[in-house]
Amino acid sequence: GAVVSQHPSWVICKSGTSVKIECRSLDFQATTMFWYRQFPKQSLMLMATSNEGSKATYEQGVEKDKFLINHASLTLSTLTVTSAHPEDSSFYICSARTGLEVLNTEAFFGQGTRLTVV
Amino acid sequence: TQLLEQSPQFLSIQEGENLTVYCNSSSVFSSLQWYRQEPGEGPVLLVTVVTGGEVKKLKRLTFQFGDARKDSSLHITAAQPGDTGLYLCAGVRTGGFKTIFGAGTRLFVKA
Repeated sequence: GAVVSQHPSWVICKSGTSVKIECRSLDFQATTMFWYRQFPKQSLMLMATSNEGSKATYEQGVEKDKFLINHASLTLSTLTVTSAHPEDSSFYICSARTGLEVLNTEAFFGQGTRLTVV
Repeated sequence: TQLLEQSPQFLSIQEGENLTVYCNSSSVFSSLQWYRQEPGEGPVLLVTVVTGGEVKKLKRLTFQFGDARKDSSLHITAAQPGDTGLYLCAGVRTGGFKTIFGAGTRLFVKA
């Protein structure tokens, strides 16, 4: 399958600071990437859809000023958690579709980023 | 109410036993995927089913897509401790774009 790389795999930051997470498609171009948040022992919750060259589409209840998404190129999307607080601590995962897979519906995931805000 | 109802949510079995995980919806899906996720890692795609009634096999894992494309199942034969993990069904509804996830089934296989 296609390879999606996420960086960093874990980060600890102080409350009030901002953290940037990168999601790269290594062997394909992704016009659309997705950002998910996962709480312990729970499933993935879609936060936003990142579109190359345009504004991200956020799910209901997700603060767009809090979670800034930039999809600057066909291989890179970034999620910046601004003014992070302890309640933002979570596992963040990105995914991308290649556009070539079956019906353009298969998603390939990065390895996730464990964010801990202290 | 989740669009994809996955059951059971938790399963603890002995090595060698068989098990089935179900994923149900009232909506029609253009395709369904099954993923496996280990702690601290992203989900890994196991299979995609696209045709109603389709059956796919991956070693000891058998995946089925319902005739109406509203449900799917994952059957594991002779489970092994290495099968332990979180299994997630996901899909895109017909006419939709976003990937929707089920709540997940946490499987623990005891040696």
